[in-house]
Amino acid sequence: ETGVTQTPRHLVMGMTNKKSLKCEQHLGHNAMYWYKQSAKKPLELMFVYSLEERVENNSVPSRFSPECPNSSHLFLHLHTLQPEDSALYLCASSQEASGPGELFFGEGSRLTVL
Amino acid sequence: QKEVEQNSGPLSVPEGAIASLNCTYSDRVSQSFFWYRQYSGKSPELIMSIYSNGDKEDGRFTAQLNKASQYVSLLIRDSQPSDSATYLCAVSSGGYNKLIFGAGTRLAVHP
Repeated sequence: ETGVTQTPRHLVMGMTNKKSLKCEQHLGHNAMYWYKQSAKKPLELMFVYSLEERVENNSVPSRFSPECPNSSHLFLHLHTLQPEDSALYLCASSQEASGPGELFFGEGSRLTVL
Repeated sequence: QKEVEQNSGPLSVPEGAIASLNCTYSDRVSQSFFWYRQYSGKSPELIMSIYSNGDKEDGRFTAQLNKASQYVSLLIRDSQPSDSATYLCAVSSGGYNKLIFGAGTRLAVHP
């Protein structure tokens, strides 16, 4: 495996379900991110982790709960979502969280909330 | 609220022509500027970064930055059908790597 991998690639869930998205990076980076991409809208930064510590929580509703057990893995736990949460969720990593740097994105998890 | 604006397109250009993609940003203290390319159904990938006023060239791509006008552009010379994608402009104002993205411009290069 190389780069940033996300699972599952597609997820359909009801509003009362609990599910998790998983991200793993094989690049030796120290920072990981969750972004939300909705149709015809800009990428929205949700969370930033630097060395497993959350450094940014961009006013995201509590029904989204991130977890970063180590610098290579990032999860997004989902519960009681709304239909408007249907979107592509992208994980990214970078060498460092501070300062400018290239983000490497995973292929995304396409979420549909019924 | 910090914003990055792009024309959604589609921008249609013939093969071999120059494609010009534009982006404006609202935060005057922005320091770093990026262009990402996103093919349909794929994730964004970085194609250019620029940090100072002027032009930066990389192969067929040229990024142009004018901080006084809060304007950044991407020129693609000798456009190919394989360049057909959505191009995302992203701006960083420093601190943690908080990139603010535009909604993207869809480019279509037709043979």
